[in-house]
Formats: sequence, C-alpha cells, structure tokens
Amino acid sequence: KAGVTQTPRYLIKTRGQQVTLSCSPISGHRSVSWYQQTPGQGLQFLFEYFSETQRNKGNFPGRFSGRQFSNSRSEMNVSTLELGDSALYLCASSLTSGATTYEQYFGPGTRLTVT
Amino acid sequence: QKEVEQNSGPLSVPEGAIASLNCTYSDRGSQSFFWYRQYSGKSPELIMFIYSNGDKEDGRFTAQLNKASQYVSLLIRDSQPSDSATYLCAVNLGYSSASKIIFGSGTRLSIRP
Repeated sequence: KAGVTQTPRYLIKTRGQQVTLSCSPISGHRSVSWYQQTPGQGLQFLFEYFSETQRNKGNFPGRFSGRQFSNSRSEMNVSTLELGDSALYLCASSLTSGATTYEQYFGPGTRLTVT
Repeated sequence: QKEVEQNSGPLSVPEGAIASLNCTYSDRGSQSFFWYRQYSGKSPELIMFIYSNGDKEDGRFTAQLNKASQYVSLLIRDSQPSDSATYLCAVNLGYSSASKIIFGSGTRLSIRP
C-alpha cells in the first residue's frame, strides 16, 4: 500500500503571501490531521478532518485553514504568511477518528520557508 | 503544566543495553498512547501504540502504561546504533468521536558503540 504523500516537498514564499499544501492519505484512510513542527515548539496539532468535516482543531490563528475532499485528500491553507510560519508541515492519516484507537501514519512533510 | 511531558535528553545508552524512555500526561481521560521515532530530517514513524494498562511487547520494543500514575514508557532492548533518534510520546486527548493528538517535545536517544 502506498504511504501518505504530501506536495510540494519544499516551498519558499514571502511574507504576506498565501500557500496551499496538499496531502493524500493512505488508501482507505478517512482521517487526515495536520501538524506544524518547529525546533522551538515541537510538533503541534493544527486540525483534523474526517469525512470532509473538521473534527478538532488546535490553537492556531484563523489564517490556518483546511479542507478535505470526498476522496479523503486534504489541503491546508495559510494566508498572510508570517516569518514565524516557517516550519515543517506534516500530514498524518488514520483509518478512523476517535478517542480510543487512532494510529496515525505521517507523510514526508512540506518544508515551508517564509522570507 | 504541559499536557505531555518528556525529558529532552540526550539520553546516552551503550550498544546492547536497555534504553528507557518516559512520558507523563496531564489528562486522566486520555485513552490512547503512542510512541513515534523521528530521525533527523525525516517525519515521525509510529513504532508502538498502547491502549490498556500494562505492558505491550513488539520485538525489541516494550510499551508500558500506568493510567493511575498518568505515565507511559518505552523500553528498547538490545539497543542498536540505528535506534539513535528522537522519540516522541503522543497522547490522544480527544473525545469520543474526535481525536486530538498532543505530542511531547521528544527525547533524543544516542546509542554509543
């Protein structure tokens, strides 16, 4: 089975621009979560989508948004980029969503640099 | 208090020894717990998950969960240089129909030959 794929792998943007990142989950997985990883803050939860609905979200400003399509592919958008948005953005997929069983598998990530 | 806490390390262990990694969490309602391994420049890789109190073994890895003490640990037996990585503890703080995975800051493990 193919793993989680993310595109693009690397991206350089300037402050004020917006960016869209894409994630394709493992076939059959319906849950997609997004994370931001930085050296200072570690791995932080952005939001989770399941069956095209946002199920949960972390403590990020409204500039960060996402969506999920009927084929479970997901996109994440960041508007009005700031220097502090430079990070590795990771997508993780899971078969299900919920509090009890939730094994996630990560994609390779998108390295975003904001200049 | 952080929701998920780990000692940042580095933890240095001789090759062939047992590496012991620890994690505490704040939410008593948490029901699922995970250990990820992350090599430098790579994405996290799921290596163990545990949902019930007690021990769970998979090859050289053993995860231990004590919900009363809000403590989860990972033991790596017969440590190899390839085990040198950052180990992330993750806890699902979500409720019944949604998930919210919170990661600890990770413990850097170094296996010395």
